[in-house]
Amino acid sequence: DVKVTQSSRYLVKRTGEKVFLECVQDMDHENMFWYRQDPGLGLRLIYFSYDVKMKEKGDIPEGYSVSREKKERFSLILESASTNQTSMYLCASSSAGGMNIQYFGAGTRLSVL
Amino acid sequence: ILNVEQSPQSLHVQEGDSTNFTCSFPSSNFYALHWYRWETAKSPEALFVMTLNGDEKKKGRISATLNTKEGYSYLYIKGSQPEDSATYLCAPGGTSYGKLTFGQGTILTVHP
Repeated sequence: DVKVTQSSRYLVKRTGEKVFLECVQDMDHENMFWYRQDPGLGLRLIYFSYDVKMKEKGDIPEGYSVSREKKERFSLILESASTNQTSMYLCASSSAGGMNIQYFGAGTRLSVL
Repeated sequence: ILNVEQSPQSLHVQEGDSTNFTCSFPSSNFYALHWYRWETAKSPEALFVMTLNGDEKKKGRISATLNTKEGYSYLYIKGSQPEDSATYLCAPGGTSYGKLTFGQGTILTVHP
């Protein structure tokens, strides 16, 4: 079974803190993705990566950065957390190629106070 | 950003009812259409990936059709059960990097 593991289920941070969300997949997938989910807005893509050290902006990259130093790990960084970044964050991975399904982690619910 | 519309936003049905929802997406530059089911407290899981106009996929009581020329897909659930309660997400896309654009989802609640 494919496993995508996110480091935390719940996280509470203060405004201005630097926040790291970690995601690890065990299926040797080339592609990895970070989404945020807000009520009524579905899943919105923040960043994705198609190879080690390669990254592309998604639809809402402002206020975020990412790091992919190893194939299995994709980190989302909130440089200076703000209250409008309170959300559910989901990581996903997929094999290379456009028809391959994405496998999702359980999500991290981040609250920024 | 692709404009992906799902309707209705939410739906309440009784156990045993059949139901369907719609996903609309731009028909130009179409590559693939994914459907995912997201149950509360779980991770989204893929239901179907469709690519060809007229494609029809089935998984148990759930089926989906695809019209790439007019840019829509229907998801059908026959004889809904309480365990079908979930958010159903569609996502066109799937370039070589696998990037998807998700709709806002349809929240289905099946009452016993």
